[in-house]
Amino acid sequence: SQQGEEDPQALSIQEGENATMNCSYKTSINNLQWYRQNSGRGLVHLILIRSNEREKHSGRLRVTLDTSKKSSSLLITASRAADTASYFCATDAGTGGFKTIFGAGTRLFVKA
Amino acid sequence: DGGITQSPKYLFRKEGQNVTLSCEQNLNHDAMYWYRQDPGQGLRLIYYSQIVNDFQKGDIAEGYSVSREKKESFPLTVTSAQKNPTAFYLCASSPPGPTYNEQFFGPGTRLTVL
Repeated sequence: SQQGEEDPQALSIQEGENATMNCSYKTSINNLQWYRQNSGRGLVHLILIRSNEREKHSGRLRVTLDTSKKSSSLLITASRAADTASYFCATDAGTGGFKTIFGAGTRLFVKA
Repeated sequence: DGGITQSPKYLFRKEGQNVTLSCEQNLNHDAMYWYRQDPGQGLRLIYYSQIVNDFQKGDIAEGYSVSREKKESFPLTVTSAQKNPTAFYLCASSPPGPTYNEQFFGPGTRLTVL
């Protein structure tokens, strides 16, 4: 079974609105990452949050992590049409090493 | 320019044929990975390699094989034993470190079995 599960599966918003995506996982982790994938392309790393961190910012991105609930959220503020993509959370599943487990992703569509 | 390259971008294969997907990186990364992505799905790990001449099976290694003879290269062979090989294949690498690091992805190869 997948370690990370994103919610919602798909999200459609207007340009300028905020977009929130959630990720839940099953086992303990050392860190959690968010990636973005434009259609038919490779993934691009957005942000990494460690298990001892609760919140992290990068530009218009805000990530929170709640290890007690085994969940994370990605907030994109003031969304743009160019933010249209799939967003994946990924964890190390506590292995602390090289094996990464990706969720199924949230497909975000931002209407201009 | 540093980065990861995958070739070809599109690949067509007849049933029963083996095909090899190329992945090259000039980022001086120790670890490299191969993932498979099916439509509307997340990534599933096929194989990964932490150092040269060493690699480990991922969650869906059956029907695939890899080699890691050089640090820069991690080719993936899709064999005829893979029953449903049509998918999007992504290669990635990550820098060395004591803990898990971000992965850098190539542009992917789309394999279609005719």
